[in-house]
Amino acid sequence: AQSVTQLGSHVSVSEGALVLLRCNYSSSVPPYLFWYVQYPNQGLQLLLKYTTGATLVKGINGFEAEFKKSETSFHLTKPSAHMSDAAEYFCAVSGGSARQLTFGSGTQLTVLP
Amino acid sequence: DAGVIQSPRHEVTEMGQEVTLRCKPISGHDYLFWYRQTMMRGLELLIYFNNNVPIDDSGMPEDRFSAKMPNASFSTLKIQPSEPRDSAVYFCASSKTVYEQYFGPGTRLTVT
Repeated sequence: AQSVTQLGSHVSVSEGALVLLRCNYSSSVPPYLFWYVQYPNQGLQLLLKYTTGATLVKGINGFEAEFKKSETSFHLTKPSAHMSDAAEYFCAVSGGSARQLTFGSGTQLTVLP
Repeated sequence: DAGVIQSPRHEVTEMGQEVTLRCKPISGHDYLFWYRQTMMRGLELLIYFNNNVPIDDSGMPEDRFSAKMPNASFSTLKIQPSEPRDSAVYFCASSKTVYEQYFGPGTRLTVT
């Protein structure tokens, strides 16, 4: 069984500030971890993924995330927020060969001018 | 590539009517997923197919919901009869690998 907890349903940052969106997971097998972004009235778009290997993964639009097994975390960061980053962000986990993704409840990111 | 295509983008119907949502996955993807998104329950996996065969439909809420995939390029999700609580955004996604799913733009369903 797998689960995902996203801490903070709403996060606000100023333009140019650090973005940190938190994700903790639970999985009985080595996990595959994902971050998706959803812009208003659109589908989900993959930002980045961790499968195996390097624990710091880089994605699109300057985002990156670090897999920390000891903390069961996969937090998403971006050094400098841009207005265009305003969206909802979902963390997801799948386990081993399982095709199903289990999504977190999402974090709405607001970027203030 | 055109990506995952869903139709219609918006559907408004009256309670009791039949609703059919359509999805065309990305060519070459052999997995297809149907999700429902609501404010209360977030993103829920309803059913998924592999090579046109339903693998797991445990997320389908009731017998009123049914899904088919007659060929590799087309899938439908049908609700009959529809109820107001079915109002949600329904997403279709497809994948080729275990690593990532590609989502369509969604169908916003409103049942009055």
